[in-house]
Amino acid sequence: QVQLVQSGAEVKKPGASVKVSCKASGYTFISYDINWVRQATGQGLEWMGWMSPHHGNTGYAEKFQGRVTMTRDTSITTAYMELSGLKSEDTAVYYCVRALNVGGRPFDPWGQGTLVTVSS
Amino acid sequence: EIVLTQSPGTLSLSPGERATLSCRASQSVSSAYLAWYQQKPGQAPRLLIYGASNRATGIPDRFSGSGSGTDFTLTISRLEPEDFAVFYCQLYGDSPLFTFGPGTKVD
Repeated sequence: QVQLVQSGAEVKKPGASVKVSCKASGYTFISYDINWVRQATGQGLEWMGWMSPHHGNTGYAEKFQGRVTMTRDTSITTAYMELSGLKSEDTAVYYCVRALNVGGRPFDPWGQGTLVTVSS
Repeated sequence: EIVLTQSPGTLSLSPGERATLSCRASQSVSSAYLAWYQQKPGQAPRLLIYGASNRATGIPDRFSGSGSGTDFTLTISRLEPEDFAVFYCQLYGDSPLFTFGPGTKVD
């Protein structure tokens, strides 16, 4: 079945960087864009950006421009999201999601989430 | 930037009742670009509805979506115990590319 499996929880200090991985299986990896969404505890969902695994093209939400980098390794069907200059406000669960190739590009499925805690 | 507003913030219902959730956009949008997600505590969201009215794979037919322009609705015809969760609407747009509503909790 189609599945996205993310790397484990991370604890980072302010100013550090974090790199979260997202292993895709059960479908043709390069045929669907991967997006990243985050959710602070008790809060709503916030879209961060997208990446095309086929071309490596990316697009980032303005809020994260200059701090986020999305990459992939097609040989191991894995996408990555790196966020630098971490602040306490970046403490959240980070999800990778596959965007379907239909109108509206809905997200299905979602990875299980990776908790990133930023604390001194 | 288009803003999504969801109402009510919390909907208190009992199993067997009908749930009607609203998602309103700050300007007219294409219904093809409106999706709904369900998130249970401690779980990742899952896709329920896309294109405003199309059920995702495996979603029971008690879930239905409707609407156009600025007003969209998610209806759960008869609440099952496992349906109690937070529901988000989402818009595929321009800048930002994707926007989520603040969510409606059904408890």
